[in-house]
Amino acid sequence: NAGVTQTPKFRILKIGQSMTLQCTQDMNHNYMYWYRQDPGMGLKLIYYSVGAGITDKGEVPNGYNVSRSTTEDFPLRLELAAPSQTSVYFCASRGGTAEDRGGYTFGSGTRLTVV
Amino acid sequence: EDKVVQSPLSLVVHEGDTVTLNCSYEVTNFRSLLWYKQEKKAPTFLFMLTSSGIEKKSGRLSSILDKKELFSILNITATQTGDSAIYLCAYPGTGYQKVTFGTGTKLQVIP
Repeated sequence: NAGVTQTPKFRILKIGQSMTLQCTQDMNHNYMYWYRQDPGMGLKLIYYSVGAGITDKGEVPNGYNVSRSTTEDFPLRLELAAPSQTSVYFCASRGGTAEDRGGYTFGSGTRLTVV
Repeated sequence: EDKVVQSPLSLVVHEGDTVTLNCSYEVTNFRSLLWYKQEKKAPTFLFMLTSSGIEKKSGRLSSILDKKELFSILNITATQTGDSAIYLCAYPGTGYQKVTFGTGTKLQVIP
């Protein structure tokens, strides 16, 4: 049972390059999230999805795009990378029942550096 | 906009000490508050609090919510070096659709 799988674990990008951070979950969770965490800071929500085909912006969506064509996958796209996007990115998911409400499962993170 | 504020930002204690971490919040339509522990990588879920005055416990960790005063505390007794981590407080938002995290409290337990 893999849970939430993120790839890659590390990446260095040059300014202006693009990339996609992959996130897959095998728990059949409807809700999926992308967060970024800067040093010494909490997690900030970039985008989230409540089900396949439905996405919405979080607190810090600028410079990012997402899609949710399947329940399992929620990729995050960075277009025209900027140094301000240097951060650790976490994908998370949770189920839809009352018992699931607190139980967000996080991936192991992607450390991205833009130079 | 929902707001979650944690204090202190960081804390250094000796093994065996008891610590109290604070979380205050300003949110609309409160439903619950969450506590997470983040070691080297991803946060892991500790507690979900929905009612005032009811203590949630797991071993040496416990947490309580005060809905009237809009805060929660996380207590760790007889701390161990393995308790060193960032502790995050979070509000799940109306409909539990998205979570607002505090900046976290970085706890370091030294032998």
